[in-house]
Amino acid sequence: NAGVMQNPRHLVRRRGQEARLRCSPMKGHSHVYWYRQLPEEGLKFMVYLQKENIIDESGMPKERFSAEFPKEGPSILRIQQVVRGDSAAYFCASSPGTGAYGANVLTFGAGSRLTVL
Amino acid sequence: DAKTTQPPSMDCAEGRAANLPCNHSTISGNEYVYWYRQIHSQGPQYIIHGLKNNETNEMASLIITEDRKSSTLILPHATLRDTAVYYCIAYISGGYNKLIFGAGTRLAVHP
Repeated sequence: NAGVMQNPRHLVRRRGQEARLRCSPMKGHSHVYWYRQLPEEGLKFMVYLQKENIIDESGMPKERFSAEFPKEGPSILRIQQVVRGDSAAYFCASSPGTGAYGANVLTFGAGSRLTVL
Repeated sequence: DAKTTQPPSMDCAEGRAANLPCNHSTISGNEYVYWYRQIHSQGPQYIIHGLKNNETNEMASLIITEDRKSSTLILPHATLRDTAVYYCIAYISGGYNKLIFGAGTRLAVHP
């Protein structure tokens, strides 16, 4: 049973390019969360998605950032027109969903490290 | 979610028990106490969670005071690989809630 898979693990972009980060949740998990960690800083919540729905995007910057979790395929975090300040580690997590004990235990991926030149 | 307070850093000798405290004096009745850790540059790792009873698993024990205003995570025999930032989070399990990480406690296990 593979864990949460994130790719690419490392991504280098020049200012103004687009970055797409992908996250495949654990099998059977229908909830996905994205977090960002700037260098030497803590984990900041960005967005919480369920299949085809955005549940909470209160941590997403208003511009250039978007996320989706389609019915089929991985969740995608998209950053348009990247700037140097977007350089960070982006972690995805998944959980089984609501209800039973343990339903909200998050399993994290290894992260995608974005470097903007 | 209730705010939690943790010491910024702690040291522990290898092989000894590491006791990491957490204060959550405003915790509500339906909020669980969750512990995660992040080993340098890796994705956070779930450790344990509980509501009011003490909990134990293969990684750690969680002791929650009777009034639920504080808790302690115990790593019974710390190893160098336990060096990490440990996060205590009060969180309503169930419903559409998100996990919010604070600054955590940076635990350094030394030989």
